[in-house]
Amino acid sequence: AQSVTQLGSHVSVSEGALVLLRCNYSSSVPPYLFWYVQYPNQGLQLLLKYTTGATLVKGINGFEAEFKKSETSFHLTKPSAHMSDAAEYFCAVRPLMNTGFQKLVFGTGTRLLVSP
Amino acid sequence: EAQVTQNPRYLITVTGKKLTVTCSQNMNHEYMSWYRQDPGLGLRQIYYSMNVEVTDKGDVPEGYKVSRKEKRNFPLILESPSPNQTSLYFCASTPRLAGNTDTQYFGPGTRLTVL
Repeated sequence: AQSVTQLGSHVSVSEGALVLLRCNYSSSVPPYLFWYVQYPNQGLQLLLKYTTGATLVKGINGFEAEFKKSETSFHLTKPSAHMSDAAEYFCAVRPLMNTGFQKLVFGTGTRLLVSP
Repeated sequence: EAQVTQNPRYLITVTGKKLTVTCSQNMNHEYMSWYRQDPGLGLRQIYYSMNVEVTDKGDVPEGYKVSRKEKRNFPLILESPSPNQTSLYFCASTPRLAGNTDTQYFGPGTRLTVL
């Protein structure tokens, strides 16, 4: 079964510092990969996704993620954190299958804290 | 505006009192899902629906029911709620696109407390 591991339930950075949120997946075949963000009291919003093609994926709000097949990783980065980036971030995978509805398998989430 | 709506947003109830959380989407999406979010566990799928009158269990279906009589609506029913169903619930919808690269669109969530 597919699984997703997010290292660190909380990550703290200072405003202007690099943001790195880690995500590793388990799969014999590279799945589709997603990062979602959840701002306080809101639903999840898609940040970016990898399906095929270029392994460096750019998303909204200056975030990007790189798919590394050899490391089974899809880490999320942003060069310079902003206070408004404080939120919970979820990595998710969708197994590659031919038919039907492919559910998302979510990681446990990483809460990003940004200090002034 | 394209959106997924859920009602109510907050609900406090007592054990055994039947309740329904509604979910509606205006994007003509075929697929809809219900998730629950619990601290340290992330989101777990409860039920999903691939189209009208087609539903199936997700990872944690016990204690829940769903129905899909219309394409836009996908209510979640708790026939006899228990305290372990206290959670944050999200509805999501997804278009059926070629290649299965579709994105899930989430509602704002329903925070349920069962006393």
